[in-house]
Amino acid sequence: AQKITQTQPGMFVQEKEAVTLDCTYDTSDPSYGLFWYKQPSSGEMIFLIYQGSYDQQNATEGRYSLNFQKARKSANLVISASQLGDSAMYFCAMRGDGSARQLTFGSGTQLTVLP
Amino acid sequence: SQTIHQWPATLVQPVGSPLSLECTVEGTSNPNLYWYRQAAGRGLQLLFYSVGIGQISSEVPQNLSASRPQDRQFILSSKKLLLSDSGFYLCAWRQGFVEFFGPGTRLTVL
Repeated sequence: AQKITQTQPGMFVQEKEAVTLDCTYDTSDPSYGLFWYKQPSSGEMIFLIYQGSYDQQNATEGRYSLNFQKARKSANLVISASQLGDSAMYFCAMRGDGSARQLTFGSGTQLTVLP
Repeated sequence: SQTIHQWPATLVQPVGSPLSLECTVEGTSNPNLYWYRQAAGRGLQLLFYSVGIGQISSEVPQNLSASRPQDRQFILSSKKLLLSDSGFYLCAWRQGFVEFFGPGTRLTVL
């Protein structure tokens, strides 16, 4: 079984500052992928970033980076230079081995960027 | 480029009425397709996934069903809606490692 834990129900950050959203996971699969999605108030789920368990380097996509610490089973999302448009719900997710295995989602973190 | 469509965008239905939500994907062939439900303030729960036409796997026992009559079409149905079926329904397709989501359907059962 897989489990994703997001312990921060809500976070606040000042515009232009960096923020880290926490995510820990648990799985018995030797190979897996970790994902972050953004869900604004409109409801759509927007893919942000992906990290494979065997990737040596942390994934980065523009202002988003994934701080992957395999031994600690953590996959924190770092958003640099926060913008007002970053205010949204953020979900961490993972998928284990298998071609059709589904994503397991965490409960999400509501990020609010303050002007 | 690939796009995913869902309709309707919003739906208000009485308890006991039938349901049909449609999802179509453009720009790809033989995609893995998924139906998720999100209750208010909660994470996503996988309901069904499909790896091909007519192939449906159910993850959660419920009064919902899914069908895939065409390669790029995925339908979520119910014969009689319950109050607990209210939520935000998201269809997704998978490209490589990543699942991409449609705009969603917000269903309210009264």
